[in-house]
Amino acid sequence: KQEVTQIPAALSVPEGENLVLNCSFTDSAIYNLQWFRQDPGKGLTSLLLIQSSQREQTSGRLNASLDKSSGRSTLYIAASQPGDSATYLCASSMIKAAGNKLTFGGGTRVLVKP
Amino acid sequence: GAGVSQSPSNKVTEKGKDVELRCDPISGHTALYWYRQSLGQGLEFLIYFQGNSAPDKSGLPSDRFSAERTGGSVSTLTIQRTQQEDSAVYLCASSWTSGSRREQFFGPGTRLTVL
Repeated sequence: KQEVTQIPAALSVPEGENLVLNCSFTDSAIYNLQWFRQDPGKGLTSLLLIQSSQREQTSGRLNASLDKSSGRSTLYIAASQPGDSATYLCASSMIKAAGNKLTFGGGTRVLVKP
Repeated sequence: GAGVSQSPSNKVTEKGKDVELRCDPISGHTALYWYRQSLGQGLEFLIYFQGNSAPDKSGLPSDRFSAERTGGSVSTLTIQRTQQEDSAVYLCASSWTSGSRREQFFGPGTRLTVL
């Protein structure tokens, strides 16, 4: 059974600093890995999706890397802003599973201080 | 709208009552998922629909939970005889099933409170 872990659970940085968010998973037979942002009381916003054949994906200030052999994905957010404050979740789907149901990590709550 | 919508946004009910939660997926998406987000358990998969195939119910926590998807579009999650431990945010997502990306897009959720 896939287990997804995000450490640390919370992170506080000053504005302008780069953010590094970690995600680890136990089973490397993933189909894809997706990073989400969740604001308090809101649903999930998809940030980046990395397919199992890819090593990284980029969108603006966001870059996500994937290393299946070590069971890790990292989300980098460059030049953080107070508006980046939110909870960030990673989730994987499995090749062996029918459908694309996601297994989520517990999330990292980020606070960017002005 | 272009996104996934859910209703109601909030639902307060008394223990033992039945509730229905609704999800309208993105038009054309063939896959629909229900997840539950609670303080103690994080975000967990409940049920998955794809086209006309039998749904994957492997995440439903008890037989009090059921879901249906009519006409390949709107879905309803029903919880019978609600218990306090059912209190959570119920999230719906949809995606394509063709192609390799299969990115899931989530609705705003329904916050269920069982008193």
